[in-house]
Amino acid sequence: GEDVEQSLFLSVREGDSSVINCTYTDSSSTYLYWYKQEPGAGLQLLTYIFSNMDMKQDQRLTVLLNKKDKHLSLRIADTQTGDSAIYFCAEINGNKLVFGAGTILRVKS
Amino acid sequence: DAGITQSPRYKITETGRQVTLMCHQTWSHSYMFWYRQDLGHGLRLIYYSAAADITDKGEVPDGYVVSRSKTENFPLTLESATRSQTSVYFCASSIGTSGKEQFFGPGTRLTVL
Repeated sequence: GEDVEQSLFLSVREGDSSVINCTYTDSSSTYLYWYKQEPGAGLQLLTYIFSNMDMKQDQRLTVLLNKKDKHLSLRIADTQTGDSAIYFCAEINGNKLVFGAGTILRVKS
Repeated sequence: DAGITQSPRYKITETGRQVTLMCHQTWSHSYMFWYRQDLGHGLRLIYYSAAADITDKGEVPDGYVVSRSKTENFPLTLESATRSQTSVYFCASSIGTSGKEQFFGPGTRLTVL
């Protein structure tokens, strides 16, 4: 079955690191994604990782993939107030994306 | 302007009425998608289309109808709106099916009274 799960809420202080976690079920997913949704806007692709990779780093973002445990995480270093948003994990299933429920990240200044 | 647009951005309607949400993209992307976003559910796929005149059901298609007579347009119709269809609706498009290519519109907030 298709099920992507995320914790619903994370609160961090400005300058700290944020870690958003996700578990997925489809071991055949070739790509896994992180999308960001700012208030009142649509989703924007933040980063993605190919399933044969363990880690991907892109400036302040680090994605870790543990295929054995089907666990994906997004680390945001030096979190800023502009990072406050909803973050969605997603896996590709056939020709469709399956999204988690989203994690609300609140950054306190 | 180039990109993907949705109209209207906000809509209030009554139970039983027919409502059509519009989606237009200027990239000539092959694939287009309709999602609904509800608290606690994330985004759920309603319908998608691989090309003009080709559509397929997603996870939650009941109560919705789509058409794709032109590549750039993908309207979503609620034939007889129900309160449970109150949601935020997002349209997306992509060249292929890989998620890294999927671009989202700004959304339509629909309220059914």
